[in-house]
Amino acid sequence: AQSVTQLDSHVSVSEGTPVLLRCNYSSSYSPSLFWYVQHPNKGLQLLLKYTSAATLVKGINGFEAEFKKSETSFHLTKPSAHMSDAAEYFCVVSDFSGGYNKLIFGAGTRLAVHP
Amino acid sequence: GAGVSQSPRYKVTKRGQDVALRCDPISGHVSLYWYRQALGQGPEFLTYFNYEAQQDKSGLPNDRFSAERPEGSISTLTIQRTEQRDSAMYRCASSWARETTGELFFGEGSRLTVL
Repeated sequence: AQSVTQLDSHVSVSEGTPVLLRCNYSSSYSPSLFWYVQHPNKGLQLLLKYTSAATLVKGINGFEAEFKKSETSFHLTKPSAHMSDAAEYFCVVSDFSGGYNKLIFGAGTRLAVHP
Repeated sequence: GAGVSQSPRYKVTKRGQDVALRCDPISGHVSLYWYRQALGQGPEFLTYFNYEAQQDKSGLPNDRFSAERPEGSISTLTIQRTEQRDSAMYRCASSWARETTGELFFGEGSRLTVL
């Protein structure tokens, strides 16, 4: 079965410092992985996705993630945090066992950015 | 419309009442999903439609929950005899095709509170 584990429920950084949100996955086949972001009172927005092409994936707003098969990880990073990055972030894996793209979400990491 | 539209955005009801939540997907999207997100958790899959066919309802928690998409466009999630534990954010998502790892587009959700 496909699953993801987000290792931190809360991360707090200062504006201008790097961001690291950690995610490990479990998959019985080569996975498709995603990061979604949820701002308060907004819908979920796709940040980036990995689908077995380049292992370093670049997304919107300066975020990127690296797929590491040996570590079963898909951590999300950003070199310099902005106040507007404060939100909840979800690591997600696709489960295609039913013949369609069923997304399995992690529990989420709440990112706080302080001045 | 430009995005996935859900209504009502907020619904407060008394225990025992029935509620209906509506989802209007992006025009042309054949796949439609319902997810439920409890406070502090990631979204959990409820059900999936391919056009009008409900192809997976394995995530519906019990027989009080049902969903339909009669014309392959707008979908309704109905909860009968609501209970306090049904309180959550209910999210709808759509995508343009079934056999793809492409992006799911999420609506802003319907927040249900059962008193």
